[in-house]
Amino acid sequence: KNQVEQSPQSLIILEGKNCTLQCNYTVSPFSNLRWYKQDTGRGPVSLTIMTFSENTKSNGRYTATLDADTKQSSLHITASQLSDSASYICVVIRDSNYQLIWGAGTKLIIKP
Amino acid sequence: DTGVSQDPRHKITKRGQNVTFRCDPISEHNRLYWYRQTLGQGPEFLTYFQNEAQLEKSRLLSDRFSAERPKGSFSTLEIQRTEQGDSAMYLCASSLIPGYEQYFGPGTRLTVT
Repeated sequence: KNQVEQSPQSLIILEGKNCTLQCNYTVSPFSNLRWYKQDTGRGPVSLTIMTFSENTKSNGRYTATLDADTKQSSLHITASQLSDSASYICVVIRDSNYQLIWGAGTKLIIKP
Repeated sequence: DTGVSQDPRHKITKRGQNVTFRCDPISEHNRLYWYRQTLGQGPEFLTYFQNEAQLEKSRLLSDRFSAERPKGSFSTLEIQRTEQGDSAMYLCASSLIPGYEQYFGPGTRLTVT
């Protein structure tokens, strides 16, 4: 079954700290993996897109990793800011029909 | 602003009423997608269009739901005889080519009382 699982479900950290969010998937065939940031009441905004051959991709303070062998991805946030408070959703795209398989997201709360 | 826009942003309706939402995609994007998202969950796929053709519909899209994209530009999603279970955020996204980045609108928050 094509699934994307994220952990933790929610996370609270202090401003300035780093954190890492996890994504495990069982999607096949694999095309690419994306991390989205979704602010409360808003649509998702893409942070990174990673293909099979990419291990790491950065976007400012966001760094995503991908291990295609173990089918795991992580999103690392460095020096967190209050504006990082949001849900972070991992999405895997199937290569056969470009279907998006969505995770349930990790709700991140940054406290001052 | 050349992003995806949705209207209205919020809609409160009584059970049994019909509602219609509109989505304006990025102008050169051929594909348009509709998703539904409930609290604490990722978006669930409802349907998508390639230009004006509706190519796929999810099993989630019951007979009370209908979507159109008459001229291959904007799209509407109508829900007839709304039920409380229809309360959710309805997201629209567009992309230039299949498999490429989908750009999301701000969503329409529907509350059925």
